[in-house]
Amino acid sequence: ETGVTQSPTHLIKTRGQQVTLRCSSQSGHNTVSWYQQALGQGPQFIFQYYREEENGRGNFPPRFSGLQFPNYSSELNVNALELDDSALYLCASSLYRLAGGTDTQYFGPGTRLTVL
Amino acid sequence: QKEVEQDPGPLSVPEGAIVSLNCTYSNSAFQYFMWYRQYSRKGPELLMYTYSSGNKEDGRFTAQVDKSSKYISLFIRDSQPSDSATYLCAMSESGTYKYIFGTGTRLKVLA
Repeated sequence: ETGVTQSPTHLIKTRGQQVTLRCSSQSGHNTVSWYQQALGQGPQFIFQYYREEENGRGNFPPRFSGLQFPNYSSELNVNALELDDSALYLCASSLYRLAGGTDTQYFGPGTRLTVL
Repeated sequence: QKEVEQDPGPLSVPEGAIVSLNCTYSNSAFQYFMWYRQYSRKGPELLMYTYSSGNKEDGRFTAQVDKSSKYISLFIRDSQPSDSATYLCAMSESGTYKYIFGTGTRLKVLA
């Protein structure tokens, strides 16, 4: 069984730039969630994708956007980067069952983004 | 007030001690309760997953949920230096996808 993978591991950008982070789901999972974890804080939900559509969103501005592909991999895009966007970005995959809702989320290692 | 409150620690214990980690919450609609372990600069690793109230045991780990008090606990028996990490509680409402996390408790187990 293949776990959740994310790329790149680290990234340094400057304010105003755009960034794309990538995630591959765990084998057998069809749902991807993205979280932002600032230093010393717990992860905060950004959004979730199911069947290539956004399935719910947390309190993040529209400059945070995403995609899910037919193979259930996903991208997180952040435009007009701000200094406060510096954080660990975590991807979590899970299995959504129509009868039973979303199963437990399993996290990848994260991408550490630094905005200068 | 945050939906989920967790003491950030750090909590230092000697090797072999029983560790008790706790979270309180305010949203009575939470039905699913999770504990994750996160090593420095790594992603969270699922330890325990509990639905509604009660106890669940897995090896050295026991999770307890008391919905009447809005209080959850994770107990670690025979703690080891390798247990040194940040422990995150997470909760969600039934039928939703959004996990609400605590800030995490840093645990240090001293050899």
